Amino acid sequence: DIQLTQSPSFLSASVGDRVTITCRATQGISSHLAWYQQKPGKAPEVLIYAASTLQSGVPSRFSGSGSGTEFTLTISSLQAEDFGTYYCQQLNSYPQTFGQGTKVEI
Amino acid sequence: QVQLVESGGGVVQPGTSLRLSCATSGFTFSGYGMHWVRQAPGKGLEWVAVIWYDGSIKTYADSVEGRFTISRDDSRNTLYLQMNSLRVEDTGVYYCARESASRGRRFDPWGQGTLVTVSS
Repeated sequence: DIQLTQSPSFLSASVGDRVTITCRATQGISSHLAWYQQKPGKAPEVLIYAASTLQSGVPSRFSGSGSGTEFTLTISSLQAEDFGTYYCQQLNSYPQTFGQGTKVEI
Repeated sequence: QVQLVESGGGVVQPGTSLRLSCATSGFTFSGYGMHWVRQAPGKGLEWVAVIWYDGSIKTYADSVEGRFTISRDDSRNTLYLQMNSLRVEDTGVYYCARESASRGRRFDPWGQGTLVTVSS
């Protein structure tokens, strides 16, 4: 199975900060990676898919990059509503594993 | 609009069974692969199972293989998860999700989730 490791697991930042979350895969997954945001008590929502494609309706301050085994999610200017937990997911092969999550505190 | 609504969760004892449903609307259900994902209390997301759009392929996480069965009824636009021999570690919120593949794979949207509690 492909394992995904996110770093950091927790981060605290201020409004306006640039934030970067990294996701590393134990095997190459091409660009079959998605990023999700989950707020407490809610279902996850997709932000980025195919490693760098912004989901319709998601603010342009979110961006993704990478391919193979290393990926990043960047929030260019953190907003108050961006709190929550962020997960990466590989969709290259089954099981379609998730990273352990990165909790973002404002 | 596209909607997924899970139901069937509850409190059950170890060793018993439960069937979850995911009623969908707003899209052509028979054209999409569907997944179950779960989340233990305070923990991260765990992929559970997938069924292809035509039902031809079903794949499970090792943790549920042989105990859980995913199925679909395209006439009812509904996804199911039959859970047998439940264990305490199966406790969590269970989400259904549609796999979208246009220009890249992702789970979108997700249902609101249904809570399963396995406890003696």
